[in-house]
Parts: sequence; structure tokens; C-alpha cells
Amino acid sequence: AQKVTQAQTEISVVEKEDVTLDCVYETRDTTYYLFWYKQPPSGELVFLIRRNSFDEQNEISGRYSWNFQKSTSSFNFTITASQVVDSAVYFCALSESQDYKLSFGAGTTVTVRA
Amino acid sequence: DSGVTQTPKHLITATGQRVTLRCSPRSGDLSVYWYQQSLDQGLQFLIQYYNGEERAKGNILERFSAQQFPDLHSELNLSSLELGDSALYFCASSASGTGPTDTQYFGPGTRLTVL
Repeated sequence: AQKVTQAQTEISVVEKEDVTLDCVYETRDTTYYLFWYKQPPSGELVFLIRRNSFDEQNEISGRYSWNFQKSTSSFNFTITASQVVDSAVYFCALSESQDYKLSFGAGTTVTVRA
Repeated sequence: DSGVTQTPKHLITATGQRVTLRCSPRSGDLSVYWYQQSLDQGLQFLIQYYNGEERAKGNILERFSAQQFPDLHSELNLSSLELGDSALYFCASSASGTGPTDTQYFGPGTRLTVL
């Protein structure tokens, strides 16, 4: 069963627009961890954020912000005032309490046009 | 730069061959994870090693094997290669790997092409 769903396959925006990436997860654990990774065209996977299930506080880091809502099992990611350098594939991932692996969503390709 | 290194960056080989991918974790990290990224399967966990011992196994084929050496670097061996094994193989490392609390940091990947 798919544990992490990223329903948006591709998003295209013009520079300076905001873009929100949706992530819905599924788990029976009460303790779990959610992650976002970025994969730029060069191919590497870059860690962006980790959120613990018991901490629902939203987080902002520069132009990036994350909205965690346990009630809807969602962990959405917003890029404010997007830039061309934000063009990448973004992955949401889940790690459960009895597991060591990351379960990744299918990824959302973000293209920011100048 | 995550601090995780992988060699080689690219690998081109033929069906039926055997290859070895190498990974060096971040300094101080005890756990190494291997993932495969392909167009049809996405990012899939293969296997995890913690301080030299196998800790968890995912969707790893029997033709694939891995090990972690005393200096904590790891190798992923792929044998009897098939066209479908063409993929980007990532190594990740984390501090302890004893639970899901660890953040995994990924290397740049090795792109394997099987012709």
C-alpha cells in the first residue's frame, strides 16, 4: 500500500509565484517522522526538513514553509516567491517507529520559469 | 555537499555482468542505507547496515548483495545484470540508524546503465 502520496506530478509556475506541494501519508503508528527532500537536475537528493509526529508546529525557513496537519495526515510544503533555482523534483518521505527505511512518495516536479 | 561520497558517478556495463558500487558515509555516521531510483519504481529502499551488520532489508533482489566494512564504508554488489537494473543507486548515511529518528543524508548517486 502506498504510504506517501504526492498527487501532483508536475507544477509549473512563473518566477516569484508561490507554489504549494501536497503530501498525504498513511500510517498506523503514533510516532513517525516526515521528511522533504529536493532532487535538482544534477541528481543528488538534498535533505530539507524533518518533522516529528508529536510536533505539529509549522516551520518556516527562508522562503520555505511546511504545514503539518495530523488531522488530515498531510505535510504540505510551500515555496514563497519561487526562483528558477527552485526547479527540481521534491519528495516527501515517511519513517515509521518500527522501521528504519524511508518510504518515498512519487515526487513532484517543479518548474519555475523566468 | 552532504558528506556522503559515492563512486563511481556513472557506470555502463552489459547484461550478465557484475558491478560494485562504493559508498563512504559521513564522518561519524554508523549506518548506511542503499536505495534504488528507477522511472517505474521510484525511490525504493534496498538494504541498511549498522556498524557492520545488516539491520533491515527491503526490496533487494537475490542477485544483489551488500556489506559494510570495519571502516564503515559500504559496497553494493549487483550481479547477473539485466536491462531493468538500469537506475540511479543512492547511498545514505545516518548517525546511529537505531530508529526512525535519524535523518538520512544522501550521496550524489551512481547512475548504472545496463546495455
